[in-house]
Parts: sequence; C-alpha cells; structure tokens
Amino acid sequence: GENVEQHPSTLSVQEGDSAVIKCTYSDSASNYFPWYKQELGKRPQLIIDIRSNVGEKKDQRIAVTLNKTAKHFSLHITETQPEDSAVYFCAAAFNNAGNMLTFGGGTRLMVKP
Amino acid sequence: GAVVSQHPSRVICKSGTSVKIECRSLDFQATTMFWYRQFPKQSLMLMATSNEGSKATYEQGVEKDKFLINHASLTLSTLTVTSAHPEDSSFYICSASPSSGNTIYFGEGSWLTVV
Repeated sequence: GENVEQHPSTLSVQEGDSAVIKCTYSDSASNYFPWYKQELGKRPQLIIDIRSNVGEKKDQRIAVTLNKTAKHFSLHITETQPEDSAVYFCAAAFNNAGNMLTFGGGTRLMVKP
Repeated sequence: GAVVSQHPSRVICKSGTSVKIECRSLDFQATTMFWYRQFPKQSLMLMATSNEGSKATYEQGVEKDKFLINHASLTLSTLTVTSAHPEDSSFYICSASPSSGNTIYFGEGSWLTVV
C-alpha cells in the first residue's frame, strides 16, 4: 500500500515569513495529492490540491509543488499570518477514483505574531 | 454544494457495548465511502472502504468483526463498533465522493468515548 511521510512535525515561524512542509510518498501510481488544514475535533479542510499531471499550483499565498520522479510534494505558505496556525496534513490517493487517501503524519504550524 | 453528514457528533458508551455511527451523502450518490480513525494528536488512518451492496474492504490491522460496516444504500454507510473498549475511543470520520466526480467530502466526524 501507499506510505506518506511528512516533515517537519512541528514548525514555528514569525508572522510574515514563509513556511514549507514536505511530504514523500511511496506508490508511483498515486495520482492525487491534497493538503488539508485541520482544527481539533473538526473535519479536514482542503486548502489546495494537485494532480499527477501538474507540477505546480498556486492559490494566493498557498502553493504546492509536485516532483513525480522523486515522489515528493511540498506545501508553501507565504506571508504567514497568525490565523495560519493549525495542523496541516498532506495526503496521497492511488486508487483510480483518486479518493482513497493515505495521510502524512501532520505538521503543527505555529505563526508567532 | 455536496455535503456529507455524520451522526452522532459525540457519543459516550460503556465498555462492552456497541455503538453505531452513520455517514450520509445528502445530495449525491456514493457507491464507495471511506472510514478513517484519528487518535488524539495523530493523523487520520484509513480503516476501511465501504462498498454499496457488497462487503467492506478493511485495511491491514483493522478487525472486520469488531468494526462492522454496512453500506445498504447509495447515500448511507454505517460503522458499528462492537464490544467497545476504552482503547477504541477516537475520532471517527467518513468521506465520500460523487460517482460522477472525484471531489472528496468529509463528514463532520464522530467523537467516541468508551468508559
């Protein structure tokens, strides 16, 4: 099955700085890579995603890059704000429908004002 | 937009009893739904794939006789935790996608506490 590794597990940055979270996956058949933000006891909230036929995607302050050869993908948040503080999860899907997810271990991001 | 609803949001049960959690797709049909478990401060782990009209597919290490999954209709999957023990206390969350698309929708999640 798929295995997703996520680093770092905790990340502390100063407000306004950039934050980068990295994930690697094991199954080359994986075709969909979403990133989620989760508050305690709540459902994961999709913040950005990328499919295997794309190398990079950007949405305002958030961007994701995918390197299929190396089997890793990264989340980039620029101009961080205190409200970006949360737990972030990467995930990979390798079934045909692209909806069966294997999650990374999570990163607790703390943005200090 | 499409919504997946989960019930109950919180449940407390006594050790040895069973508890049922429902996952409904409110405005789309889903032939497949997924059940995840999340222990405090940990990641979401896929437990099983719920298949409408057929048996669920369980991930390695998940006891199928303990976590009964029923997907009797295209809009409802249920997870029953049988003979619950304190170590089953966790956040259980389901997901579903419309058959015509691949957007993933999560339920609100269910906190189970076994005392």
